[in-house]
Order: sequence, then C-alpha cells, then structure tokens
Amino acid sequence: DQQVKQNSPSLSVQEGRISILNCDYTNSMFDYFLWYKKYPAEGPTFLISISSIKDKNEDGRFTVFLNKSAKHLSLHIVPSQPGDSAVYFCAASPTQGGSEKLVFGKGTKLTVNP
Amino acid sequence: AAGVIQSPRHLIKEKRETATLKCYPIPRHDTVYWYQQGPGQDPQFLISFYEKMQSDKGSIPDRFSAQQFSDYHSELNMSSLELGDSALYFCASSSIGTASGEQYFGPGTRLTVT
Repeated sequence: DQQVKQNSPSLSVQEGRISILNCDYTNSMFDYFLWYKKYPAEGPTFLISISSIKDKNEDGRFTVFLNKSAKHLSLHIVPSQPGDSAVYFCAASPTQGGSEKLVFGKGTKLTVNP
Repeated sequence: AAGVIQSPRHLIKEKRETATLKCYPIPRHDTVYWYQQGPGQDPQFLISFYEKMQSDKGSIPDRFSAQQFSDYHSELNMSSLELGDSALYFCASSSIGTASGEQYFGPGTRLTVT
C-alpha cells in the first residue's frame, strides 16, 4: 500500500514558467515532509521540507505548500530552469529531527524545456 | 562540504554470492539509513542505526544484515544473492540533534546480480 503518492509520473514545462509537483499521503501519523531531487546516477538531494505545524515554507525559487486536512502537499518552482530537470521525490516521516525512516513516493520526472 | 560516501559505486555479482556495501556518513552524523531502489521504483527503507544500535527495520530480507561501527560507518552484508536483489542501494545519514532532521544521501551502489 503506497502511503505517499505522486500520481503524475512526469511533467513538462517551459523555462521561466511555474512547475507544480503534487504529492498525497494517507498516513495521518506523518508529521514532516520533504522534497528530494534526483539526477541519474546520483543519490537524492535534499531540496526543502515542511513541518505539519506550517502550511508553507519558501526557499528561493522553491516553495512547499501543505494542506494537512486534505493530506496533500505541493512543490512550486518559480521560475523553472532547464537545470531543474530531474526526478522529484516526495517523502514523509512521522517525526522531525529524529531517526525515523522516510517513506517515499514514486517520483515525478520534471522536464524543463528551454 | 563533506558528503555521504558509498563504496563501491558499482558491483557485479553472481547468484548465490555475497556482497558487502559500505557507507561513510557525514562527519558528526549519528544516524545511518539504508534504502533499496529497484528500477523505476521509489527508494524503500531497509534498516537504520543510531549510535551503533539498530533503530528501525523495514523490508530487509533475512539474507541481509547490517551494522554500524564505532567510527559510525556502516556496512550492509548481502548473502545468497538473487536476481531480484539487483538495485541501487542508497545510504543516508542524519544528525538526531538537529531540529531539521533531513537525511543526506550518498551517490548509491549499483548492484547487478547475474
């Protein structure tokens, strides 16, 4: 049973436009959410995170929104750049700052076209 | 900044052989995690260690074992290898003392079982 779901396997956007990647989760015990970016032949790279006590966290071009009642989060990238082309994984954890495992979605492949 | 180091990067083994994967966490990180990512799949949690003690266990086969040593590096030992063990194996590390708690991933070891 997939507890973290990324229903769009791929997304294609034009350079300079907004990229919106979506993620849904089913386990209400999840309290901390993270986005990772992964290039081929590399490990996932941490991008941005959000705790369940917040509904928005922003870091430069990246903003994560959390709707806890809907068990939904999204990652916004504005403006999108060709270097953003990668697979983006949504991940969730029951706690922040502990040693809990991460539960990942299946990823969304983002392609930013010049 | 120092990152998570994994060795070897690539490994080819035959069925029923054994393999040992090594992970060197970021300095001062006290928690190590192992994940397995099959082709087109999300990373699946295998096992984690905090301060050299097993802290959590996921879908790790009984043929696999792992440990964390006094210098905090970790080894994943895999015996009686099967074709289905072919995957990318990621190690991640974190520090339980930091408020953010994000996990930092190594580049992975690609294991191919023939």
